Amino acid sequence: AQSVTQLDSHVSVSEGTPVLLRCNYSSSYSPSLFWYVQHPNKGLQLLLKYTSAATLVKGINGFEAEFKKSETSFHLTKPSAHMSDAAEYFCVVIGGSYIPTFGRGTSLIVHP
Amino acid sequence: EAGVAQSPRYKIIEKRQSVAFWCNPISGHATLYWYQQILGQGPKLLIQFQNNGVVDDSQLPKDRFSAERLKGVDSTLKIQPAKLEDSAVYLCASSLSGRADTQYFGPGTRLTVL
Repeated sequence: AQSVTQLDSHVSVSEGTPVLLRCNYSSSYSPSLFWYVQHPNKGLQLLLKYTSAATLVKGINGFEAEFKKSETSFHLTKPSAHMSDAAEYFCVVIGGSYIPTFGRGTSLIVHP
Repeated sequence: EAGVAQSPRYKIIEKRQSVAFWCNPISGHATLYWYQQILGQGPKLLIQFQNNGVVDDSQLPKDRFSAERLKGVDSTLKIQPAKLEDSAVYLCASSLSGRADTQYFGPGTRLTVL
């Protein structure tokens, strides 16, 4: 069994300040973890993924995430938010069955 | 490289009517996924195909939903009869091998059931 919990439904930041989107997972098998982004009226796009290599993963547009097995977390961060980062972000876990499970999503709001 | 194609992009039907959605994955991708995304929620996996076999359909309401992937390429998802709660965006995605690969998503079909 596997599950993913995105701890915040909405995160609001000012442009130029750091971003933190939190994700905790549960998996009975060593998981692969992903972050996808969904801009308004656009398709889902991969930001980054962890597949048992380096625990700190760098993605597109300055985002990165760190896999912490002891905390079962895979939080997404960015040092400085940009207006174009405003979107819906989804954390995804894939365990040994190779069946993906999405989180409920976190809406990132960026204020000028 | 062409992306995942879906049609139609929008569909409005009355409850109890039937509807079908079509998906053409990226060429060479073995795994195809259908998701239902209700407004304000994350995508829920309805069915996952590996080539033309079903990997998982545990969340597919089989009394009204059906899906097929003939010849292991494109796929059709059907709802018959539709209910009001089926109003959602239906997303199709594909991946190269299905072993924790990156999924590539189509634009989705927005279904409204009146």
